[in-house]
Amino acid sequence: DTAVSQTPKYLVTQMGNDKSIKCEQNLGHDTMYWYKQDSKKFLKIMFSYNNKELIINETVPNRFSPKSPDKAHLNLHINSLELGDSAVYFCASSLHTGAQETQYFGPGTRLLVL
Amino acid sequence: AQSVTQLGSHVSVSEGALVLLRCNYSSSVPPYLFWYVQYPNQGLQLLLKYTSAATLVKGINGFEAEFKKSETSFHLTKPSAHMSDAAEYFCAVRTNTGFQKLVFGTGTRLLVSP
Repeated sequence: DTAVSQTPKYLVTQMGNDKSIKCEQNLGHDTMYWYKQDSKKFLKIMFSYNNKELIINETVPNRFSPKSPDKAHLNLHINSLELGDSAVYFCASSLHTGAQETQYFGPGTRLLVL
Repeated sequence: AQSVTQLGSHVSVSEGALVLLRCNYSSSVPPYLFWYVQYPNQGLQLLLKYTSAATLVKGINGFEAEFKKSETSFHLTKPSAHMSDAAEYFCAVRTNTGFQKLVFGTGTRLLVSP
């Protein structure tokens, strides 16, 4: 059983479109995250949710809107896609919000905007 | 704010040789430090973490790291490289001050030659 899963794995779309990425974890964790990895492999956090509440919101364009319908799911919706949004997006989860806790990452969604 | 610096974007070793990947941290409060590995086209997997217990931390796949406060370092080592160790390695830091995000270094690609 996959611990943190993301769909789709690959996403190719045109500029201006709206797309969503879904994330689910079956670890019973109460905290989930979205990260963006750029073409130089640099990883940066975008959002974090704890028990469906937003607790981290980095400087991300408001075209990006996360939604957490329950503790096991954290989806990412992106409006009006731009070329610069092309990246790999990783979902992760941790048991709680503690700083020492391990974050478990999904396999990533490779987004290419043409 | 906390940060980590990984020296060397690429490290090349021969199979059987010592692996040494460098990570220096900056933090005004005691940090928690992590090493993650990313194999091609996959998500990140935790190798090991320092959470202020033992300064020498052993991880998976024969890797270990030593926390040295005087040098603000947390270098990753493995006595004998294997071809399967070829991957991208990320050092990361987090602190217990408020709700702090996990901050990643820029990564080091380990290349292993036969």
